[in-house]
Amino acid sequence: NAGVTQTPKFRVLKTGQSMTLLCAQDMNHEYMYWYRQDPGMGLRLIHYSVGEGTTAKGEVPDGYNVSRLKKQNFLLGLESAAPSQTSVYFCASSGTGGRVDRWTQYFGPGTRLLVL
Amino acid sequence: AQKVTQAQTEISVVEKEDVTLDCVYETRDTTYYLFWYKQPPSGELVFLIRRNSFDEQNEISGRYSWNFQKSTSSFNFTITASQVVDSAVYFCALTGGDSNYQLIWGAGTKLIIKP
Repeated sequence: NAGVTQTPKFRVLKTGQSMTLLCAQDMNHEYMYWYRQDPGMGLRLIHYSVGEGTTAKGEVPDGYNVSRLKKQNFLLGLESAAPSQTSVYFCASSGTGGRVDRWTQYFGPGTRLLVL
Repeated sequence: AQKVTQAQTEISVVEKEDVTLDCVYETRDTTYYLFWYKQPPSGELVFLIRRNSFDEQNEISGRYSWNFQKSTSSFNFTITASQVVDSAVYFCALTGGDSNYQLIWGAGTKLIIKP
C-alpha cells in the first residue's frame, strides 16, 4: 500500500515550458487535491476533485489545469510556466465517509518545481 | 470566512523541555474538524490528529497531547519532554461543513529542539 505518490520529485523548467505533475493514490479515495507551498507559508489549494471526471477550482487556480480521468489519478498541468510558479506542489487524497475517514487528507511526498 | 492563526512563527527549546504550539481558529460552521500536521526537514506532511467540533475531550498520544477548547476557539498542541526528532514545522488546519472538504491552513510554527 503506497498511499499517495507523486511524479516527478523535482523538475526545472524554463519560462513558457509546459509540464504535467502526476498524483496517484491506492486508497480508493474519492477526493483528491493539489496544493502549493511557498516558503514561510501554509499550503494553498490550487484545484480539487470530488470524484472521477470532476474538478473544481481552489484558492489559487490561475495558470494551472487539472484532470481526473481515473479515480486513482489526479494530474496537474502547467501550460506556460512562469517563475511565480516556482514552489513545492503537494497532492493529497481523502475518503468519502461511512467507515472511511473522509475528512483526513493524506499527502504525497511533494514535487519541487523551479521555473527559470 | 474560515481562518486559522498560528501566532508563533518559530519556537526554540532545549531538549526535554515541554513546548506548546498554539492554534486559534475562526469558523461559522457548527460542525467542523481540526487537524495537526507535521512537516519534518525532509519535507513530507505527516498527519498527527483530527478532532471533531462536537468532541472536546483532550487527547494524549505518547508525548503528544492536544487541548481543544471551543470557548476560546483554540486547539493547542503540547509536546512533553521534547526530543531533537520533534524538530519540524507544525501546521494546524480546519475544515467544516458537509460539503466543504477543503482544508484551511495556518502558516505553521517552526519548532527547533536543541540538544
